[in-house]
Amino acid sequence: DSGVTQTPKHLITATGQRVTLRCSPRSGDLSVYWYQQSLDQGLQFLIQYYNGEERAKGNILERFSAQQFPDLHSELNLSSLELGDSALYFCASSVGDRANSNQPQHFGDGTRLSIL
Amino acid sequence: GQNIDQPTEMTATEGAIVQINCTYQTSGFNGLFWYQQHAGEAPTFLSYNVLDGLEEKGRFSSFLSRSKGYSYLLLKELQMKDSASYLCAVEDDYKLSFGAGTTVTVRA
Repeated sequence: DSGVTQTPKHLITATGQRVTLRCSPRSGDLSVYWYQQSLDQGLQFLIQYYNGEERAKGNILERFSAQQFPDLHSELNLSSLELGDSALYFCASSVGDRANSNQPQHFGDGTRLSIL
Repeated sequence: GQNIDQPTEMTATEGAIVQINCTYQTSGFNGLFWYQQHAGEAPTFLSYNVLDGLEEKGRFSSFLSRSKGYSYLLLKELQMKDSASYLCAVEDDYKLSFGAGTTVTVRA
């Protein structure tokens, strides 16, 4: 158990809909990262928040947005869903704004999103 | 952009040694990570290299050559539970870029 909690574990919805994925980081971790993992794309970095502020942005679509709240939990909002958005969405957390040997990123179990 | 290459698949026998290579071309470099991921599960941290050389952690070792843009993960005394995908990731400007992963199958 990494200590990172993601809900829900599974989500099934239809094209055009909007969903919210939730992540609670490990106790004491200030950074939250979101990743998308699909079969053909591998693990892709989406966005990072550190202590409530956006710190880094990857290949995140405009239809996707995220935020980190004062209690440090984070939400990833996906809208106007398309079939290609079906994937595993992982959240990771780390103590600082940069991962290293002593403070690596720890991953949650992911949310499996299926678009029908 | 970031380019991180790993072999797609490797097969080895229980008790043997396997070396997974990773080459990278990235715009910046702040460290290289190796993660293990069992199918459908979360990636788990294995090792981190930021300086050239070998880092050893039990049955797992990782090597880095920054000048060559090259790393490898060495798995010794392979066990059946080591069957998994191994992901190489480079940190650059706060972002982790992952390779596609190497699926290692351990056979009895």
